[in-house]
Amino acid sequence: GQNIDQPTEMTATEGAIVQINCTYQTSGFNGLFWYQQHAGEAPTFLSYNVLDGLEEKGRFSSFLSRSKGYSYLLLKELQMKDSASYLCAVRSIYNFNKFYFGSGTKLNVKP
Amino acid sequence: DSGVTQTPKHLITATGQRVTLRCSPRSGDLSVYWYQQSLDQGLQFLIHYYNGEERAKGNILERFSAQQFPDLHSELNLSSLELGDSALYFCASSGTSGGETQYFGPGTRLLVL
Repeated sequence: GQNIDQPTEMTATEGAIVQINCTYQTSGFNGLFWYQQHAGEAPTFLSYNVLDGLEEKGRFSSFLSRSKGYSYLLLKELQMKDSASYLCAVRSIYNFNKFYFGSGTKLNVKP
Repeated sequence: DSGVTQTPKHLITATGQRVTLRCSPRSGDLSVYWYQQSLDQGLQFLIHYYNGEERAKGNILERFSAQQFPDLHSELNLSSLELGDSALYFCASSGTSGGETQYFGPGTRLLVL
């Protein structure tokens, strides 16, 4: 089966750094994705990891360890607009690349 | 604006009814994905079409069906609606069958009364 875990909610301060963790158990792992979703809006793609290591994109970075079934999303220089839910999703090569989403981590950025 | 369009934006209907949700992918994208998001269940993958063919099936009920047409737009049909079907339905598109980057439409908010 598939199992994806992420914290339900986190709070951080504007200007700080926050790390959102995601652990997964997936058969036929074929990539991990992070999405940002503001309340009432559509998810927007942030990052994609398929090999171990760190992918950096501006203020956002994503890390993957396939052997540990672990990923994190790192947000630097937090801004108030970063308050949103962050969804971790895993793709499985079985069943033609089916996607599994975690429940999301709601990040509250305070002044 | 992701380039993915969905209609209608809002839909209110009664239990037992049937509705059709429509999605137009970004220009040139061959893959269309459908997702359901409800308050208590998060984002659930329903189905994936690539260039007109069904590629992957997720937690899609038998009362639901989808298709992708030759012009690549897709429709999600929901029948015998129940209160629990009330949710946000998102469509996403990508340029590949693997879906490395999916672009989500604004969603259709369905309320079943």
